[in-house]
Amino acid sequence: GENVEQHPSTLSVQEGDSAVIKCTYSDSASNYFPWYKQELGKRPQLIIDIRSNVGEKKDQRIAVTLNKTAKHFSLHITETQPEDSAVYFCAAPYNNNDMRFGAGTRLTVKP
Amino acid sequence: DTGVSQDPRHKITKRGQNVTFRCDPISEHNRLYWYRQTLGQGPEFLTYFQNEAQLEKSRLLSDRFSAERPKGSFSTLEIQRTEQGDSAMYLCASSQPGTLGDTEAFFGQGTRLTVV
Repeated sequence: GENVEQHPSTLSVQEGDSAVIKCTYSDSASNYFPWYKQELGKRPQLIIDIRSNVGEKKDQRIAVTLNKTAKHFSLHITETQPEDSAVYFCAAPYNNNDMRFGAGTRLTVKP
Repeated sequence: DTGVSQDPRHKITKRGQNVTFRCDPISEHNRLYWYRQTLGQGPEFLTYFQNEAQLEKSRLLSDRFSAERPKGSFSTLEIQRTEQGDSAMYLCASSQPGTLGDTEAFFGQGTRLTVV
């Protein structure tokens, strides 16, 4: 997406380690920040999202943090497992309308 | 209603031909999006509908691309005079904004276009 920057583009970790993926956005009016996971040959599916009225949200091994002042948000995966291997995309609303996506991070969890 | 469905799943066409794809969103969703995804990249925004109104179209989108959602339900994406560079996965997604604003977008399985 032209206004959502995501990094790193690839990330390789050992099973059990943590993984962090970061995104920045440009539209200061954005108020909803989802993360999607896409496995090979499958559609993107939502794994966690956060709204601008909170700074952090957790769901088991997955957490998302948001810094509205700096306009960036991050995905944290703890105790990674081989089945976490996939491409992860962040997204943010643009012009209060459509959702724009980052370029993706290919996460590989090595057993 | 089991989710967003797209048809066809795969399309192989010769360069210069026209192709049309269909998307059936989740029935109560009023927002519908078309994205294009090439290998190793994130979904690239093409266009967006709220009900039957096409509210936004990527400025990067060629005039050969057109989309419709005539009754605010299903949508079609047409590519005229296809080029090899049009080869990609075309994803459709739908969502229904809640009281707090945007909500999850649900994706279809996509239509994989190959232009030969």
